[in-house]
Amino acid sequence: DIQMTQSPSSLSASVGDRVTITCRASQSISRSLNWYQQKPGNAPKLLIYTASSLQSGVPSRFSGSESGTDFTLTISSLQPEDFATYYCQQSYSNPPTFGQGTKLEI
Amino acid sequence: EVQLVESGGGLVQPGGSLRLSCAASGFTFSNYDMHWVRQTPGKGLEWVSGIGTAGDTYYPDSVKGRFTISRENAENSLYLQMNSLRAGDTAVYYCAREIWDYMDVWGEGTTVTVSS
Repeated sequence: DIQMTQSPSSLSASVGDRVTITCRASQSISRSLNWYQQKPGNAPKLLIYTASSLQSGVPSRFSGSESGTDFTLTISSLQPEDFATYYCQQSYSNPPTFGQGTKLEI
Repeated sequence: EVQLVESGGGLVQPGGSLRLSCAASGFTFSNYDMHWVRQTPGKGLEWVSGIGTAGDTYYPDSVKGRFTISRENAENSLYLQMNSLRAGDTAVYYCAREIWDYMDVWGEGTTVTVSS
């Protein structure tokens, strides 16, 4: 199975900050990497697919990039509603696997 | 409105069985691959099964032989039959729609608790 390692596991930031979350795959996954946001008590919500494509309805302050087996989710200017847990997920091969999550706190 | 609604969760004893359902609406269910993903208390997300439009099924080793995913397109429904349940299967179970290679629509989840 492909292992996905996220860093950091938690992050404290303030409204207006620029934040970067990293996900590393244990092997090449091309650009088959997706990002989800989850708030307490809610289901995951798709933010970014295929490394850098923004899901419809997601604010443009969210962006994704890729460099080899390293993938990055960037929030350009944190808003109060962005404090949540973020997960990466590879869809390159079965089984699909998720990172362990990054909790973004105020 | 595109929507997925799970049901069937509950409390079950170790070794017991449970059948989860997921009702789909607002889209042509038969055209999409579907998945079950679970989230254990305080932990992350784990994929537990997937089914293609042709009925092909996929499982991780952790549930293979115990869980069975199925679909009934005429009823716009997805199912997960879970047998030989263990404490480690305790989780919130989500159904999710796949488009291309990503899960774009998720239900709100149903909770399964395996305990004596």
